[in-house]
Amino acid sequence: GAVVSQHPSWVICKSGTSVKIECRSLDFQATTMFWYRQFPKQSLMLMATSNEGSKATYEQGVEKDKFLINHASLTLSTLTVTSAHPEDSSFYICSARSDRYSNQPQHFGDGTRLSIL
Amino acid sequence: RKEVEQDPGPFNVPEGATVAFNCTYSNSASQSFFWYRQDCRKEPKLLMSVYSSGNEDGRFTAQLNRASQYISLLIRDSKLSDSATYLCVVTPDSWGKLQFGAGTQVVVTP
Repeated sequence: GAVVSQHPSWVICKSGTSVKIECRSLDFQATTMFWYRQFPKQSLMLMATSNEGSKATYEQGVEKDKFLINHASLTLSTLTVTSAHPEDSSFYICSARSDRYSNQPQHFGDGTRLSIL
Repeated sequence: RKEVEQDPGPFNVPEGATVAFNCTYSNSASQSFFWYRQDCRKEPKLLMSVYSSGNEDGRFTAQLNRASQYISLLIRDSKLSDSATYLCVVTPDSWGKLQFGAGTQVVVTP
């Protein structure tokens, strides 16, 4: 089945640090990738939609200057949390699919647990 | 009102028993429906898609009721390994954005 790899799986860093998270589709080309955030005991919340070769589309309330998304190739999207603060601590998950307009299920990365001290 | 609503549970189920729960969605134009399971501190994993006519995958049965705007999941012969949070996921449009429920926790006990 489709495999999506996310790295790193766990990050602990000081406040003010910028953190980059990678999301890779290992066995298919992902025209669209999605970035989610999940706080404890809450549902996944979509942060942004990343389309290869174009700017990401951010959901309302998500600061695009703080959460930088780059989808430069069909197999890699990155999310950079700039100048992270404790309130950014969360579980970040990416998902990917191969067809831009498909209603097929998405495949999720393993998630990145970000803890800002 | 949340776009996708689920009973958070927990549903405590004896091993071997049957458990069922629903999820309601607010957008009548929603196009695709899925059940994912999420284990504690892990990523969601697709359990099954939900088709209009209802579908079964082993011990799992999913139903869609468009008129009342809900989907359901039934688990027969529950196993200890079925303990997880089950996420109801809806695609509201053709762009494929997913809307997640907060999840229903199922705890299967020996």
